[in-house]
Parts: sequence; C-alpha cells; structure tokens
Amino acid sequence: QQQVKQSPQSLIVQKGGISIINCAYENTAFDYFPWYQQFPGKGPALLIAIRPDVSEKKEGRFTISFNKSAKQFSLHIMDSQPGDSATYFCAASQYYGGATNKLIFGTGTLLAVQP
Amino acid sequence: DAGITQSPRYKITETGRQVTLMCHQTWSHSYMFWYRQDLGHGLRLIYYSAAADITDKGEVPDGYVVSRSKTENFPLTLESATRSQTSVYFCASSAVKAGDEQYFGPGTRLTVT
Repeated sequence: QQQVKQSPQSLIVQKGGISIINCAYENTAFDYFPWYQQFPGKGPALLIAIRPDVSEKKEGRFTISFNKSAKQFSLHIMDSQPGDSATYFCAASQYYGGATNKLIFGTGTLLAVQP
Repeated sequence: DAGITQSPRYKITETGRQVTLMCHQTWSHSYMFWYRQDLGHGLRLIYYSAAADITDKGEVPDGYVVSRSKTENFPLTLESATRSQTSVYFCASSAVKAGDEQYFGPGTRLTVT
C-alpha cells in the first residue's frame, strides 16, 4: 500500500512536443505529491508539487494533473525542450497528516527530448 | 559554500569491508535522509533522522548503520559491504515544516567488488 507506480520507464519526445508521465498510488492517506527532476551526475531537485485539494497546478511549462478518485497524478511538460532531458521521479508522502517528511518515490522516467 | 555535500563522490571497496559515507548540510535542517538509487527501483529510503540523536529505519535498512550526533552531519556506514550494496547513494535534508522540499546532495557512487 506504500507503493507509487510510475510509467513509462522511458520516453522520447520531439522538441516542442508534450511529455506526459503518469503515477498511481494506493495509500489514500498520502497528502503531498511532488515531482523531482534529476540530471545525469546530479542529485534530484524539486520541480513542482501538489496537494490533493486541487486538481491541477501549473508552473511555467510544467503542470501536475491530479485525480483523487482514481488515485493518479501526472506531469505534463509543454513545449518540451532538449534541456528538459532528465530523469523524472514522482513521489508521495503523508506530509500534513503524518509525523515525518518521508517520501515514497516512483521508479523514475528517463525523458529524452530530441532536437 | 552553503548546501549539502557528500563524500567521497566515488568509492570502490571489497566485499566484507566497512565503508562510511559522509553527509554534511549547512542549513541546520532538522530532517536528514539517506537513499539508494538503483535502476528499476528509483530512490529507496534507507534511514532518516528527524533531529540529532533521533534516527529511524526506512524501506531498506538492512546492512546499514547511521548516527547523528550533530545536526549538520549524518554518516551512513555499511558494516560489511556486499555486492548488492553497489549503488548510488544520496543524502537529503529538509526543514521541519510540513511540505518543505528535500534538498539532495550530489551522490556517492559506491562499487563493491
């Protein structure tokens, strides 16, 4: 019940296209859903995050869509650029209802944006 | 420079040897975490600490030991390294406020031969 399932494992998108990465969770107590971006040789860095009281959050070209009833959330990258090529991790946590800041991560998606 | 650092960045060791990976943060964050990253498994939590002298197990703690005598340091020790512990290890820290992001270090690539 603690798993976060992420798909696809890898994704190739043309420059200017839309990249979509999906995640699903089982634990209905999760109340914080961040996405982390990781470039080769670097540690992950927070990209964007959402709480389940909203269905969508947008920051620039990056949008999280959240479907509480389906227990799914997704990352959309609009107008994908070669500089977006990285590994993306979704995660979930009981930040607000729990006692710790522990994150459960998905298995990651390697995104390649072709010029 | 302020931030979170890890040392060494690369380490090769032999099976059975003890190895300690270091993590240091300059923000005085309460929480610190150790993850391992393996292809197909993403990031898995090994141990975490809510404050100095308070540590707890994560998802994959077997074979690892942690301590936190000072807020800024959180070393991870492999007591008797095994080949299955070959991985990239990331340390992270966050403030105590709910929703605060975790800041990750640059990682340590450990190879156990």
